[in-house]
This record gives sequence, structure tokens and C-alpha cells, in this order.
Amino acid sequence: SAVISQKPSRDICQRGTSLTIQCQVDSQVTMMFWYRQQPGQSLTLIATANQGSEATYESGFVIDKFPISRPNLTFSTLTVSNMSPEDSSIYLCSVDGVGTEAFFGQGTRLTVV
Amino acid sequence: GQQVMQIPQYQHVQEGEDFTTYCNSSTTLSNIQWYKQRPGGHPVFLIQLVKSGEVKKQKRLTFQFGEAKKNSSLHITATQTTDVGTYFCATNAGKSTFGDGTTLTVKP
Repeated sequence: SAVISQKPSRDICQRGTSLTIQCQVDSQVTMMFWYRQQPGQSLTLIATANQGSEATYESGFVIDKFPISRPNLTFSTLTVSNMSPEDSSIYLCSVDGVGTEAFFGQGTRLTVV
Repeated sequence: GQQVMQIPQYQHVQEGEDFTTYCNSSTTLSNIQWYKQRPGGHPVFLIQLVKSGEVKKQKRLTFQFGEAKKNSSLHITATQTTDVGTYFCATNAGKSTFGDGTTLTVKP
């Protein structure tokens, strides 16, 4: 199993600003994933954070809006840039438990006002 | 990519009643995972199914994977208030596609 620490747990931000979310894993993992969960909705994959290379973004998500860093095998950040109220969501980081299950951080509840 | 449809969206039951959520795909799935998300919490892995026709049990929870590997179900026997939450199916652990989820409420 993997223990994932994600912070901040929640934040209220002004529109037009940016927020960086951090995700720390207690063991080295090859891939980390970032998801968005809009209010009352399911989880949608934003991107895969690859160590040593650029993140791979899913359709509908772009690097300029959601820049991702992956400086080493235990840490990643997701930035939500130039925020608008539509960005209000829960953002979750996740790691793959050797292809059998996914472990999630506690999530960051973002409200943009 | 693969898409999974999940029904029902909501289910309200009396404590002690059974509950079932269904996950369907138009394509053959290599595997399927089930997660539970408590209100205000994050998804927690319950189980993975890989084999055609596979059935797995965890206490009052029974998970099935269809013979064609295009559908799956989660059945809870004699629900308890601790079962409340949203149950998601998902494909491909890690880089996952999630179903829309079924939110279960249990009336004591």
C-alpha cells in the first residue's frame, strides 16, 4: 500500500489567482495521477505526472491551465492557474499500486470566489 | 478510451435491505475496480476483478464480473448505516476511467 499526503486540504481563492497543490508519497512510484472531482460528480483524470518528463494530459486539459511538476519519484505538484469559479472542485492525486488498485490522497477542496 | 456506465445514480434503502449497483461497458474490459467514497472523503479501493465470471466476497459485499467482461456488479446484503457513500466502478487502476457512481443512503 501507499500513504499519500496531499495539501492543502482545502482553500478558498480569488478568481484570477493560482493555487499549487502538493502530493507526497511515502514510497517511490513510477507514475502519479491527478484527478478532478466536480461537485456531485465522478472523478476525471487530468493528467499523468511522469518523473523526468513532461506530464501527459487528457483531452480537455492543458498544461497552461494545469501545470504539473514531478521532481522525483515521491512528489508531485498540480497548479490550477488563473482560476475561475468553474474550477471549484476537489483535486485528488493518486498512485498506482502495481496495477491492481489506486491509492488516493485526501483531496484538496478548492472554492474559487 | 473505455467508458463505463453505472446505474442507478442514487439508491435510498431502509437499513437491513439489500443494495446493488451495476457497471456496464460497450467494450470488453481487462479489469474492473470498485471504490467507496464516504461523504467528504476520498475514494478507497475495495476490490479488483480480472477474470471472466469472477465472484469475490468481502463480508456483506459481493462483487461480480460478467462472463463477457463487459459488466460488473456490487451487491451489499443487509445494509447498515456505515455503508453510506458513493460507490464507483473504474477501469485500469492508476490511469482510471471512473463510472458516474451510485450514491447510497441508508435510513436507520
